[in-house]
Amino acid sequence: GQQLNQSPQSMFIQEGEDVSMNCTSSSIFNTWLWYKQDPGEGPVLLIALYKAGELTSNGRLTAQFGITRKDSFLNISASIPSDVGIYFCAGPPNTGNQFYFGTGTSLTVIP
Amino acid sequence: DAGVIQSPRHEVTEMGQEVTLRCKPISGHNSLFWYRQTMMRGLELLIYFNNNVPIDDSGMPEDRFSAKMPNASFSTLKIQPSEPRDSAVYFCASSSFTGDTQYFGPGTRLTVL
Repeated sequence: GQQLNQSPQSMFIQEGEDVSMNCTSSSIFNTWLWYKQDPGEGPVLLIALYKAGELTSNGRLTAQFGITRKDSFLNISASIPSDVGIYFCAGPPNTGNQFYFGTGTSLTVIP
Repeated sequence: DAGVIQSPRHEVTEMGQEVTLRCKPISGHNSLFWYRQTMMRGLELLIYFNNNVPIDDSGMPEDRFSAKMPNASFSTLKIQPSEPRDSAVYFCASSSFTGDTQYFGPGTRLTVL
């Protein structure tokens, strides 16, 4: 099936630092979504992107829909301890009526 | 809306026993998905339904796993007989239609001893 590769796989950062992660695909995507999974919980939608080049913010989070439509980026500014969790990219490729999740980026914020 | 509801939240059972996980999707959503999450394999799609009909069950690991959706507001995932390697967190998610944003339940943490 479709593979969405996320990098980095894991990150350990100091509180207050900015975070950048990305997601790449071999297929063109129609929509890019970013989810966060807190420990012991299900993934929760953070940001949705619908157009190539789109830049959308949600508080300290900013995500971009890559202009090639094969990648997306998520940035977190001034990280805080509650940002800890696993971040997943996801979305439907333009090749069919499917929905795929990325491999995840695990974020640890050190106070 | 209450969101996706899953039960039980935790299940501990012995190898060979039957396990049934339950899910109530968000009202009005037509697509329902079952996922399994482990440290080794990450988030894996097991099966999904559209309008109560199973569309793709290629992710179901083997015949010991089965899923049903008797109506629009209820689905079950059954493992019979269970094995220790089935230990994982099982998530149910729903969306308005296949390809739309999915909303996840809190998951069921299954431990098979």
